[in-house]
Amino acid sequence: AQRVTQPEKLLSVFKGAPVELKCNYSYSGSPELFWYVQYSRQRLQLLLRHISRESIKGFTADLNKGETSFHLKKPFAQEEDSAMYYCALDNYGQNFVFGPGTRLSVLP
Amino acid sequence: ETGVTQSPTHLIKTRGQQVTLRCSSQSGHNTVSWYQQALGQGPQFIFQYYREEENGRGNFPPRFSGLQFPNYSSELNVNALELDDSALYLCASSLDREGRETQYFGPGTRLLVL
Repeated sequence: AQRVTQPEKLLSVFKGAPVELKCNYSYSGSPELFWYVQYSRQRLQLLLRHISRESIKGFTADLNKGETSFHLKKPFAQEEDSAMYYCALDNYGQNFVFGPGTRLSVLP
Repeated sequence: ETGVTQSPTHLIKTRGQQVTLRCSSQSGHNTVSWYQQALGQGPQFIFQYYREEENGRGNFPPRFSGLQFPNYSSELNVNALELDDSALYLCASSLDREGRETQYFGPGTRLLVL
């Protein structure tokens, strides 16, 4: 069965420090992976997806099939990055699996 | 272009009752997915509707059912409510059912079962 794990419930970093939010998955095929973000009092929204290979708000994520990971990284954290981050996997419309989420807190 | 809307925003029911939650998809979107998010957890996929047909289903019992209408709005029905059904219910719409399409989420309906 497909599964997404995010080992950290809470991650606190200082402004300007690098950030890495960990995500591991289990899936037998070639996964479509995403990061969603929810800022305070806002809706869940897409941050980035691996097939786009784009950088959004300075965040990047690389799919490592060997380690079954899709960690989210940013070299210099900003206070406005504080939010709840969810890693998610799509089984081509048959099922969409979210991880439990990591709350990122960027301290001034 | 209007975003995804859900109604009602909050709802209180008692165990054994039935509930219907509604979702209006974003203009032009033909796919709607429903999720249950318990407190402190990530959203769990309930099912997806594509052009009025159920297209995929998560690990939820049959008392969770849905409908999608010709205008692509959708309903989630839950029968025989249990205390554990208390959660935030999210719907998300997308242009198509393929995974590459971005899902746009609504604000959610918070259901409390007493």
